[in-house]
Amino acid sequence: DAMVIQNPRYQVTQFGKPVTLSCSQTLNHNVMYWYQQKSSQAPKLLFHYYDKDFNNEADTPDNFQSRRPNTSFCFLDIRSPGLGDAAMYLCATSRERGAAYIQYFGAGTRLSVL
Amino acid sequence: ELKVEQNPLFLSMQEGKNYTIYCNYSTTSDRLYWYRQDPGKSLESLFVLLSNGAVKQEGRLMASLDTKARLSTLHITAAVHDLSATYFCAVTTSGTYKYIFGTGTRLKVLA
Repeated sequence: DAMVIQNPRYQVTQFGKPVTLSCSQTLNHNVMYWYQQKSSQAPKLLFHYYDKDFNNEADTPDNFQSRRPNTSFCFLDIRSPGLGDAAMYLCATSRERGAAYIQYFGAGTRLSVL
Repeated sequence: ELKVEQNPLFLSMQEGKNYTIYCNYSTTSDRLYWYRQDPGKSLESLFVLLSNGAVKQEGRLMASLDTKARLSTLHITAAVHDLSATYFCAVTTSGTYKYIFGTGTRLKVLA
């Protein structure tokens, strides 16, 4: 059974039209991450939550926002998508503490911007 | 700033051959991870290496870690076509929850 679920799997939006991507987890992990991955590149961390503590990467554009209303859900909001924001967006979780901070990834949402 | 480099970036190999992918990182790290990614898909966790000298094996893949050299290797034994994918290593630093990914190695196994 899927433990990190991303919806939708494919999202098409128009230039400048706000879009929200969602991620839910059944693992009860404290840490949730959002990555952006463009073709043939490594995943790039946008931000992560440790519980409700939000940690933004210095180079994440202001156009990207996130919300975590509870442990299970996390959202990525792109306020005004540009053509350069077309990418795969990956959500991942990890435990607060444990033998290893293994990350569990969702299947990803592929965003297209027209 | 922690940097993670992999080589080679691209690897084309014949079935049945052995090869090694290298992952170098620039500062002290306490954990190293290997992931596999198939085209258009998400990342799948392969190995977690927690200490110097750690070795993990799963099927035709074996990963090792040398923290003194800041080097991890992913060794492929008798490659098969199903191993064709992109492989990423990633490291974390103590006390943070941030993973730094390597550049990735795109592996193609030719029949």
